[in-house]
Formats: sequence, C-alpha cells, structure tokens
Amino acid sequence: QSVLTQPPSVSAAPGQKVTVSCSGSSSNVGTDYVSWYQQLPGTAPKLLIYDNNKRPSGIPDRFSGSKSGTSATLGITGLQSGDEADYFCAAWDSGLSAPVFGGGTYVTVL
Amino acid sequence: EVQLVESGGGLIQPGRSLRLSCTASGFPFGDYALSWFRRAPGKGLEWVGFIRSRAYGGTPQHAASVKGRFTISRDDSKTIAYLQMNSLKTEDTAIYYCSRSFYRTYISGAFDMWGQGTMVTVSS
Repeated sequence: QSVLTQPPSVSAAPGQKVTVSCSGSSSNVGTDYVSWYQQLPGTAPKLLIYDNNKRPSGIPDRFSGSKSGTSATLGITGLQSGDEADYFCAAWDSGLSAPVFGGGTYVTVL
Repeated sequence: EVQLVESGGGLIQPGRSLRLSCTASGFPFGDYALSWFRRAPGKGLEWVGFIRSRAYGGTPQHAASVKGRFTISRDDSKTIAYLQMNSLKTEDTAIYYCSRSFYRTYISGAFDMWGQGTMVTVSS
C-alpha cells in the first residue's frame, strides 16, 4: 500500500489533456515539495516535475504540476502516443524521514 | 558522459546474499546522496534506502521493509554505491535502480538521474 494515493489509470485521446492526481497528508504533500516521474515501459524513471511545478531542462512545457494543500496534480497537454507510461508522484515524508511515492498511474492514449 | 550504471543482478535462491553496484561517472559523485529503489513486477516504485554524502555524515538509511537485511554503502574513490542484500526473499524480486538526489544539500522526493536498472530474481 503506497503512502501517496494515485488513480490506477487515466486515458484521453491524442491531442487532448489528461490530469493525474496525487493525494497525501500533512506529513508529506502538505508540507514538502512534490515531484513527478514518468516511466516508459522497460525504461528507468525520468524526473518530469520537481518542487511542485518546475521542469528540469529538456522536459517540454506540455507537462505541468500544481499543488494545493495535501493534493497535487500532473497535467499533460497535447497528448501523444509516446506519453503512454506510468506516472508516479513523490514527496519527502517528515514522519518517516524518507521519500514516499504514489502507486503510479498508467496513462493510456486512446 | 553523466550516468549511473547498475550491475550485479541475477537469479538467486531464497536466503542467499547478493551485492549490487552502482557506478557513477560524469559528475562529482562525492557531493551527492545516492538512493536505491526497486520496482517489483506489477507493483509501483519503492524506495529501498539512501546514503548521504560525506559532507552530511556519509550515513545510510534504509526502508523498514529491508532494514536489517539490506545495507547501502559507498566508495567515493571508486565512485560506486553498493546495495548488499542478505537473507533474500522471493518478495525481493524486482528491478533495482540507483539514483542521484536532485539537491546536493538535502534529500527530498526529487531524483534527477537514474541508472537503467538491474533485475534481481529470488527463486528456488
């Protein structure tokens, strides 16, 4: 059972927008920055978003992040077939003194 | 080239030990905390533990699920981080990844560099 809660899957048509939610608590999402990762099948995770809404160099602005209270959201606009992957949220948990992750959300491009 | 490369995975019997290595290149290895993660078949990402940089004590911290069985260490002179896994169980079967903390000064939920992973299969 993951500390952060994500829906198992979401889907949308090519070109559309999809959002992935991440729910935590006051000891993690509520007090620390949220990061998002993309894991394409058979590859290593890739950092998409850090500090709630910042993108590392090379990540297109189709990917965005936001946070409100103990919940965070990843948005993907202009959905492409290459975006089909697992997406994970993560944050530091002050109670566990460890990073915690969501269970992952698989994004399907219809 | 800036990269992390894991090695040492394979098929191992329950109860046996295995040591994974994470070899770094292209960045000041000693300045960063290094973490290990795993992803079991059909499951999500799980943090296994990390080891702080020498500037922050160089000490490891392990997840409760592996505490007492797994040990993370590092050799900054060789730019290698290790994951020593003892008393392996079938539920330890997973792809194991090492990664670098995004920030040098503290560990958060952000990890900006990942290795390609190495598969560990625990089975009799």
